[in-house]
Amino acid sequence: QVHLVESGGGVVQPGGSLRLSCAASEFTFSNYALHWVRQAPGKGLEWVAVISYDGTKKYHADSVKGRFTISRDSSKNTLYVQMNSLKPEDSAVYYCAKAQGDYVGSPGDYWGQGTLVTVSS
Amino acid sequence: SYVLTQPPSVSVAPGQTARITCGGDDIRTKGVHWYRQRPGQAPVLVVYDDTDRPSGIPERFSGSNSGNTATLTISRVEAGDEADYYCQVWDSRSDHVVFGGGTKVTVL
Repeated sequence: QVHLVESGGGVVQPGGSLRLSCAASEFTFSNYALHWVRQAPGKGLEWVAVISYDGTKKYHADSVKGRFTISRDSSKNTLYVQMNSLKPEDSAVYYCAKAQGDYVGSPGDYWGQGTLVTVSS
Repeated sequence: SYVLTQPPSVSVAPGQTARITCGGDDIRTKGVHWYRQRPGQAPVLVVYDDTDRPSGIPERFSGSNSGNTATLTISRVEAGDEADYYCQVWDSRSDHVVFGGGTKVTVL
């Protein structure tokens, strides 16, 4: 059974940085695209970023472009997002999701349980 | 940027049929995916590529896509279907994933 476990969330001051990780298991990591999706408290889902199966293509939402960077390490079966210049509006539960295929437009067929990021002074 | 529009809420009696719409400009040209999210849980994919169901999703869940509207239909609604439902597409013009605002389904 596919397993995704996010970590790295916490409380950070505005302007600060965090790196979230998503440890993946029980599937061939290097064969699938991967997404980050976030959800602010009481709000809907917001896509953050996607990375292709081989890491060559990376796309970020306009709201985080230039501040967040998605990456992956196939030797560790781990997905990352480096978040810099954090703003209060970045506060959310961050989910990683395995794409259904290698195509970056594939939907997320397995999701982690999420990690909470709170940006506050 | 591409926008997906969903009704905020849908109410349905047990055993009846719930229809959740997702509007977008010429959405028929895109593959639409649907997720269910129960309170406090991660989203679950229930329909992908307009009409296909992942393994383990009951046949009661079905999808369609025509013109400017995609629809998720839940037949013979059960109490356990009460959740938020989101539609999603890949916008190839912007290379962005787009989610609808979500629809809360209430089982009366």
